[in-house]
Amino acid sequence: AQSVTQPDIHITVSEGASLELRCNYSYGATPYLFWYVQSPGQGLQLLLKYFSGDTLVQGIKGFEAEFKRSQSSFNLRKPSVHWSDAAEYFCAVGPTGGGNKLTFGTGTQLKVEL
Amino acid sequence: NAGVMQNPRHLVRRRGQEARLRCSPMKGHSHVYWYRQLPEEGLKFMVYLQKENIIDESGMPKERFSAEFPKEGPSILRIQQVVRGDSAAYFCASSPPVQGSYGYTFGSGTRLTVV
Repeated sequence: AQSVTQPDIHITVSEGASLELRCNYSYGATPYLFWYVQSPGQGLQLLLKYFSGDTLVQGIKGFEAEFKRSQSSFNLRKPSVHWSDAAEYFCAVGPTGGGNKLTFGTGTQLKVEL
Repeated sequence: NAGVMQNPRHLVRRRGQEARLRCSPMKGHSHVYWYRQLPEEGLKFMVYLQKENIIDESGMPKERFSAEFPKEGPSILRIQQVVRGDSAAYFCASSPPVQGSYGYTFGSGTRLTVV
């Protein structure tokens, strides 16, 4: 069965600092990989997704993620964090070929200090 | 082009009552998926529906929960005889045919509180 681990429950960074959120997955083949952001009381917004090709994926709001097959990881990065980035971030995997359901990690809550 | 519409945004029910959650997919999307987010947890898949068909209900609790997506109108997630443990955020996603999870758009969710 596929699973997703986000080892950091809470992360605090200063505005302007760089950010890396970790995501490790367990899956037999190369899955489809996603990062979503959820602001308080809101739904999920897709930041970026990967299924093949260049292992460095660019997303919205200045985010990027790198797929590393050897480490089964898909970490999310941003060079300079803005106060508006404070939110909860979820990594998710779907089966190769897309499939119809996603398996989510438990999320990382990001706090940005001004 | 409206996104995925869920209503109500917030729903309070007493124990033993019924909860009905609605989801209208994006225009052109014929596939609907329901997820539940318990406090301090990630989203968990519940059910996948196409018009008039339940395709995958492997994540649905065996009792009290049901879902439908009629030919006309929104998809409905129905919870009978709610208990405190049903308190959660329920999210709906829709996708075009074929794309599955790769083409998801999520709604803003319904926050159910059972008192």
